[in-house]
Amino acid sequence: RKEVEQDPGPFNVPEGATVAFNCTYSNSASQSFFWYRQDCRKEPKLLMSVYSSGNEDGRFTAQLNRASQYISLLIRDSKLSDSATYLCVVRQLTGGGNKLTFGTGTQLKVEL
Amino acid sequence: NAGVTQTPKFQVLKTGQSMTLQCAQDMNHEYMSWYRQDPGMGLRLIHYSVGAGITDQGEVPNGYNVSRSTTEDFPLRLLSAAPSQTSVYFCASSRPGTGGDGYTFGSGTRLTVV
Repeated sequence: RKEVEQDPGPFNVPEGATVAFNCTYSNSASQSFFWYRQDCRKEPKLLMSVYSSGNEDGRFTAQLNRASQYISLLIRDSKLSDSATYLCVVRQLTGGGNKLTFGTGTQLKVEL
Repeated sequence: NAGVTQTPKFQVLKTGQSMTLQCAQDMNHEYMSWYRQDPGMGLRLIHYSVGAGITDQGEVPNGYNVSRSTTEDFPLRLLSAAPSQTSVYFCASSRPGTGGDGYTFGSGTRLTVV
């Protein structure tokens, strides 16, 4: 079983739609959680951190359920520019510092 | 402020050749790491460093060496390239303790081994 699992998609949605991605993680000792965005052939960039109480940044809402070990990302009013791959990232503290584990990503295509 | 700079952007190697992928950051970040990204596999950690003079292995270290003689530079060496090392390589840096939110990635090096 992968440490971080995501549905690879692609999710094809019309502009203006609401879309949700889920991610599950297997290591219960995981401490921090993030969503990164990666455009085609580009480097990953931080989209938002995910806090236990849930957090929102404009059209984006992230939720964490520690009991079920899953993380979600909700995108409202999708824009063409939201088309990208969304990476779920989990962090554990190790003796050598931080260990980040990346999911394989969920591809989103927003269409006219 | 350049952030994280990786060179080269593209490289084709023959099996058995060696080469060094360069990574430099100008943010005075102590933590630097190398990842490879393959289709369907996600980003996997190759090696990382928590400061100058300190390096450690990640998930997939075989076939790669690193060194960290300065805070700014963290080169990745392929000792004897193999087709299995065809991948996209990303260097990332952060301040200690920031975890994912402080990670800055370079633009990547696309390596093909033939």
